[in-house]
Amino acid sequence: GEDVEQSLFLSVREGDSSVINCTYTDSSSTYLYWYKQEPGAGLQLLTYIFSNMDMKQDQRLTVLLNKKDKHLSLRIADTQTGDSAIYFCADLTGTALIFGKGTTLSVSS
Amino acid sequence: ETGVTQSPTHLIKTRGQQVTLRCSSQSGHNTVSWYQQALGQGPQFIFQYYREEENGRGNFPPRFSGLQFPNYSSELNVNALELDDSALYLCASSLTANEQFFGPGTRLTVL
Repeated sequence: GEDVEQSLFLSVREGDSSVINCTYTDSSSTYLYWYKQEPGAGLQLLTYIFSNMDMKQDQRLTVLLNKKDKHLSLRIADTQTGDSAIYFCADLTGTALIFGKGTTLSVSS
Repeated sequence: ETGVTQSPTHLIKTRGQQVTLRCSSQSGHNTVSWYQQALGQGPQFIFQYYREEENGRGNFPPRFSGLQFPNYSSELNVNALELDDSALYLCASSLTANEQFFGPGTRLTVL
């Protein structure tokens, strides 16, 4: 079946940029997503990109999509301690979101 | 505008029992999807309902079943609970196929 992979951990200092990477296998993906999950909470939709785009910017968030390499990244500028959470990459396959295992972002002050 | 709500927040069941989890969709959303998130894992798609009909199903056995009501609220039923069913159950509502908004989840523990 379709698969989404992410690195498990990222540690950054407050004020630095964070880059979280993801690879996916579904060549027919239409949309790719980034969700954020804080401890004990549900998933918050951060942003998503249509597969015919290569970049999307939304305030501090920049999404880059390399469709040829099936690689998606999320850059968070000026990372804050409140950005500490688990970030999930997801791929829309039919009606289902296929998620990676999540990247835990730890921000130190 | 009210977001997606789920009840209960937590519950504990024993192996072999049955459980019903509930979800209220965001206002105006006619599609609801259910996901299971085991500890340390990403969510896995269980099924989706669109206007009261099942509209897609993941790799889960038939003992996982659902309903969607005319007001677009939804239930997830799990029969013959197993220890591995312990997880966070998330529902997501959507109006368009490309935006799914999640509720806070129900934490199920099976002993």
